[in-house]
Parts: sequence; structure tokens; C-alpha cells
Amino acid sequence: KNEVEQSPQNLTAQEGEFITINCSYSVGISALHWLQQHPGGGIVSLFMLSSGKKKHGRLIATINIQEKHSSLHITASHPRDSAVYICAAGGSNYKLTFGKGTLLTVNP
Amino acid sequence: NAGVMQNPRHLVRRRGQEARLRCSPMKGHSHVYWYRQLPEEGLKFMVYLQKENIIDESGMPKERFSAEFPKEGPSILRIQQVVRGDSAAYFCASSLTSGRATDTQYFGPGTRLTVL
Repeated sequence: KNEVEQSPQNLTAQEGEFITINCSYSVGISALHWLQQHPGGGIVSLFMLSSGKKKHGRLIATINIQEKHSSLHITASHPRDSAVYICAAGGSNYKLTFGKGTLLTVNP
Repeated sequence: NAGVMQNPRHLVRRRGQEARLRCSPMKGHSHVYWYRQLPEEGLKFMVYLQKENIIDESGMPKERFSAEFPKEGPSILRIQQVVRGDSAAYFCASSLTSGRATDTQYFGPGTRLTVL
């Protein structure tokens, strides 16, 4: 069993819908990262969370340390949001444990 | 304001050949991480380097794989005598501060290695 589990694996939405991607982890962490990987493979760091909530544009990330769970929300989704979204848990040091990713497709 | 650069972007090798993957970190970054992404799998940590030092290579296969980050020039991930199972995307990332979980790691575009 992977230490970081994401759900769903695949998600298809219509433009404008509210999107939620979930991440559960079984290890103690000091930080939780959300990454975006576009077709063609480039990876971009979206958020780093230690607690609470962060917002950037239409993206919102939350974390519940007690429940070992984080969510990434996208409001007013757009086809350009189509990508693989990856969560990664960081423990006491630099070594990140990655989920397998959620493939999001937003149709116009 | 160049980000992390990797080359080549695509590399095709025949079984038994050597593969050399290069990574130039962001300007001012002295911490480099290599990751491997196998098909249908998540990214897996391979090695963490600082200039002229391997800090943690616990994710590297014990044989055929090596990494370096010389004083001058890019970091190199070297795979000797490649096998089909080495086919994957290899990403490097760099960070500004000393390796902690809270550091933002900036990723390169990856090198896609195909072994025929």
C-alpha cells in the first residue's frame, strides 16, 4: 500500500464545475505539496502546506493534520486546468513521498 | 530567469548502452534531487546532491546507477548498461535552501528515456 493515496485516479468535468481532488497519507509529515504535471510532462509546484488552507487564484488547498488528509479544489474549472495533479508528503527532511496522481480532464 | 533545465528531453538507447542525463539547477540553487517516474507509477526519490557531495542516494538502484554534481557544470545521472526496465521519465528538481520538507522544489521538464 502506498503511503500517499489520491482519489479519484481519473476525473472528468465540464467547464465551470467545482473540482475536488483528495489526498490521504499514512506517515507523519511536516509538509504536504501539491504539484501539477501537464501533458508533455513538466511539473509545477502549486502549494506547500503545513496547516490550514492556502489559496492562489482559482486553486484552494486545505490540510487536516489530525485526519492526515488534504484536498485540492479548483473553482470555475477551465479546459486549461486539464493535467495530472500530484500530492507529495514530506516528513522530517527533503524526501518526498508521492501519490500516483489524479488525471483531470475538463471539457469545454 | 531560467528554470531548471534538463537535457536531453528524450533519449533512446539500446540495451547495454549508457545513458547520461543532465540537470542544470535554477541559478543560485545548490541542492539537486533526482526522481524517476515509471509508467503508471508515482514519482520516486532517487538521490539528493549538493555541490560535490552525494547527501542521500538511498533511492538509487545499487548497480548501474550513479549521480554527481560537480563544482562546475550540471548534475549528471548516469545509467550504465541500460535495460528495458530503465525506461521511464527522469526528473530533477532544485531548491534554494538546505533539504527540508518545507522547501519548494522546482522541477525540470524531465528526460524521457526509452530503452529498445
